Amino acid sequence: SQKIEQNSEALNIQEGKTATLTCNYTNYSPAYLQWYRQDPGRGPVFLLLIRENEKEKRKERLKVTFDTTLKQSLFHITASQPADSATYLCALLHGSSNTGKLIFGQGTTLQVKP
Amino acid sequence: DAGITQSPRHKVTETGTPVTLRCHQTENHRYMYWYRQDPGHGLRLIHYSYGVKDTDKGEVSDGYSVSRSKTEDFLLTLESATSSQTSVYFCAISAGGGTNYGYTFGSGTRLTVV
Repeated sequence: SQKIEQNSEALNIQEGKTATLTCNYTNYSPAYLQWYRQDPGRGPVFLLLIRENEKEKRKERLKVTFDTTLKQSLFHITASQPADSATYLCALLHGSSNTGKLIFGQGTTLQVKP
Repeated sequence: DAGITQSPRHKVTETGTPVTLRCHQTENHRYMYWYRQDPGHGLRLIHYSYGVKDTDKGEVSDGYSVSRSKTEDFLLTLESATSSQTSVYFCAISAGGGTNYGYTFGSGTRLTVV
């Protein structure tokens, strides 16, 4: 069966450290993978998109990698801050580029302690 | 979120009644989506639209119908609400179907079926 797996356990780290979140998938061959941030009571907010032919993407303190052989994406937040505390969702595009839709993992909650 | 609004924000309804949730966008985006979010399941796609009058089912479409008679509005109808449809419903829009652009989510509708 098709699955997207993110670590369901919360990740607790100290301010200033690098947070690394993992997204694994099976039985998909996505052309695109995306990461979102969700705060309690709010809708998800788009952060980064990475294509299958891109190994790495960066945006400010964020870095995403995409390994289609391992079927895995890693999401890094460097120099983490308490304001980075949120739930982070990975999503992959399933289907054609015209009618495809995003399938989401359940998310990993990050808690950055001062 | 800017450019997308959901209504109502909260609703309590009785089992067996029909309910319609509205998603309105001002971005003129082609793609619109309805997701529900539940603890332990994450975001699951109900229905989506890739143009006016063009809609398709997602993974949890039973008991739901949608309509899109104009670009800016995407309606989700629960034909006969059941307690299992108690959830938070999110609408999302996208210019590129998730290929070059992320999704923009609304603030959600919290629906309780009693």
